[in-house]
Amino acid sequence: AQSVAQPEDQVNVAEGNPLTVKCTYSVSGNPYLFWYVQYPNRGLQFLLKYITGDNLVKGSYGFEAEFNKSQTSFHLKKPSALVSDSALYFCAVRDSFGTYKYIFGTGTRLKVLA
Amino acid sequence: DADVTQTPRNRITKTGKRIMLECSQTKGHDRMYWYRQDPGLGLRLIYYSFDVKDINKGEISDGYSVSRQAQAKFSLSLESAIPNQTAFYFCATSEGTQPQHFGDGTRLSIL
Repeated sequence: AQSVAQPEDQVNVAEGNPLTVKCTYSVSGNPYLFWYVQYPNRGLQFLLKYITGDNLVKGSYGFEAEFNKSQTSFHLKKPSALVSDSALYFCAVRDSFGTYKYIFGTGTRLKVLA
Repeated sequence: DADVTQTPRNRITKTGKRIMLECSQTKGHDRMYWYRQDPGLGLRLIYYSFDVKDINKGEISDGYSVSRQAQAKFSLSLESAIPNQTAFYFCATSEGTQPQHFGDGTRLSIL
């Protein structure tokens, strides 16, 4: 069965420091991996995805993520955090077999402190 | 205009009432999904549909029903609402390997 784990409920980081939000997954076959961000009273907004190719994926707003097949991880990173990055972040996985069902992690709240 | 529109955005109702949440999309996607979001639980799939004639149960379908009236419209109903169905509800669409596109959600409170 597919699953996604986001081990940290909350991550605090000082503005200007690098940030990492962790995600590990379990899926049959090759994974399709996604990161989304949610601001208050809004739907989820797509940040980046890994389907195939380079393990380092670059996305919106300066975010990037590294796919690590041996560790089944897809951690979200940003070299220099902004206060405006404070939000709820979700990792999601979909298998490659065509079920088109997406499994979401429980979310990590990122707080960037000025 | 938003690609995925959910109505209403907020709803307060009483236990036992029938409620319908509506979702419409202009993206032309065949696949549509309904999720429920609760604090600390992430998003859980209620129902999904791959075309007008296809409806599938998700992980938490009990107490809910759906209708896919057209490619662009996918409605979620609570036949007899109960307080533990208080949550945020999100509709999403997808196509191929593209990411899902979400509406801005409905905040539903059941008293």
